[in-house]
Amino acid sequence: DTAVSQTPKYLVTQMGNDKSIKCEQNLGHDTMYWYKQDSKKFLKIMFSYNNKELIINETVPNRFSPKSPDKAHLNLHINSLELGDSAVYFCASSQGASGGETQYFGPGTRLLVL
Amino acid sequence: GENVEQHPSTLSVQEGDSAVIKCTYSDSASNYFPWYKQELGKRPQLIIDIRSNVGEKKDQRIAVTLNKTAKHFSLHITETQPEDSAVYFCAASIKPQAGTALIFGKGTTLSVSS
Repeated sequence: DTAVSQTPKYLVTQMGNDKSIKCEQNLGHDTMYWYKQDSKKFLKIMFSYNNKELIINETVPNRFSPKSPDKAHLNLHINSLELGDSAVYFCASSQGASGGETQYFGPGTRLLVL
Repeated sequence: GENVEQHPSTLSVQEGDSAVIKCTYSDSASNYFPWYKQELGKRPQLIIDIRSNVGEKKDQRIAVTLNKTAKHFSLHITETQPEDSAVYFCAASIKPQAGTALIFGKGTTLSVSS
């Protein structure tokens, strides 16, 4: 009964490659998010989608392109990977978009760029 | 935009003592303040949250207080146990147009020694 799931769990790749991370939630939530946690454990919002529409893009390089094929999925594609992209990427979801809804996090994808 | 400051960055207590973590936020429009606990290699887990129409909330050994005028909120853990050892994050909601995303503090590493 996994609520928010992500694949893959680990991703090791070379600089310059393109990679994707997938996220799915089975909670029936309307809003999904991507957060980045860097090596100092700092959690930062990247994107927010509500009903498949982008509503937040927090100054993320355009090498990062989220895609939401439906409400239950929010995938993250990263082009031309750089060393600084190494981090843990967390997907999250919440019910509705009126503010104050609890966000549930996925298990994270640990990306290492060599 | 919203900024969340969290103190202290590390906190060491003896089992049975109380622990207090404090956060301040900058955007008076923020109306939702969750606290997350993150164990090593795991996802952030919500432990308690408070909304702006409430001054205090308690759940067993955990309590959160909110002072909207001063724009600060605090987490109180009583009768600490070794399993409380983790990184704790405070967060404040931002709400551009629609949807909710969280701005996180930089985390507090709590160590409880027995």
